[in-house]
Amino acid sequence: EAAVTQSPRNKVTVTGGNVTLSCRQTNSHNYMYWYRQDTGHGLRLIHYSYGAGNLQIGDVPDGYKATRTTQEDFFLLLELASPSQTSLYFCASSDALGGVSAETLYFGSGTRLTVL
Amino acid sequence: GDSVTQTEGQVALSEEDFLTIHCNYSASGYPTLFWYVQYPGEGPQLLFRASRDKEKGSSRGFEATYDKGTTSFHLRKASVQESDSAVYYCALSDRAGNTGKLIFGLGTTLQVQP
Repeated sequence: EAAVTQSPRNKVTVTGGNVTLSCRQTNSHNYMYWYRQDTGHGLRLIHYSYGAGNLQIGDVPDGYKATRTTQEDFFLLLELASPSQTSLYFCASSDALGGVSAETLYFGSGTRLTVL
Repeated sequence: GDSVTQTEGQVALSEEDFLTIHCNYSASGYPTLFWYVQYPGEGPQLLFRASRDKEKGSSRGFEATYDKGTTSFHLRKASVQESDSAVYYCALSDRAGNTGKLIFGLGTTLQVQP
């Protein structure tokens, strides 16, 4: 089973602060994703990537940047954090190229971000 | 665009009750359909998936049948346990956009009382 590790587990920052959320997957999946989870909104896609150096815009990208430095590592950047970005963030990876596990997302345990 | 609708936001049951969570979708072609489960403090994890009309997915006593005619993928379990308390998400693959991403419903919180 794919392993997806997120850090930190919890983060508190102030309005205007600079935050980086990290994600590493160890199954050599090509696709990686950042979602946010909020009550009443479910899981919403922020950014995703097809591979190292690639970045695609998701459904709620405003206020977020992302960077995929390697096959394994995907970062989410909040350069001027706002209280509206207080949320639970999940990283996920998938193979998406074919086979039995294609299109199945494997999620990390999440990062809870609070912006004061 | 493609979408997923889960009718129930919250479901409260007692142990051994029958569970149904309704999921309807709107998409072109044949998306793959998924049920994910999220336990407290964890990320969502795959419960099962189905890729073709009339295909049944199942795991841990839960099951759902892909129905293209009614565009549905309802989750059912004959006898729930307290340990089934979790959030359940229905999702579909974005085949039309060929992005590899999943489109999720809003989720259903299941609370099972002993």
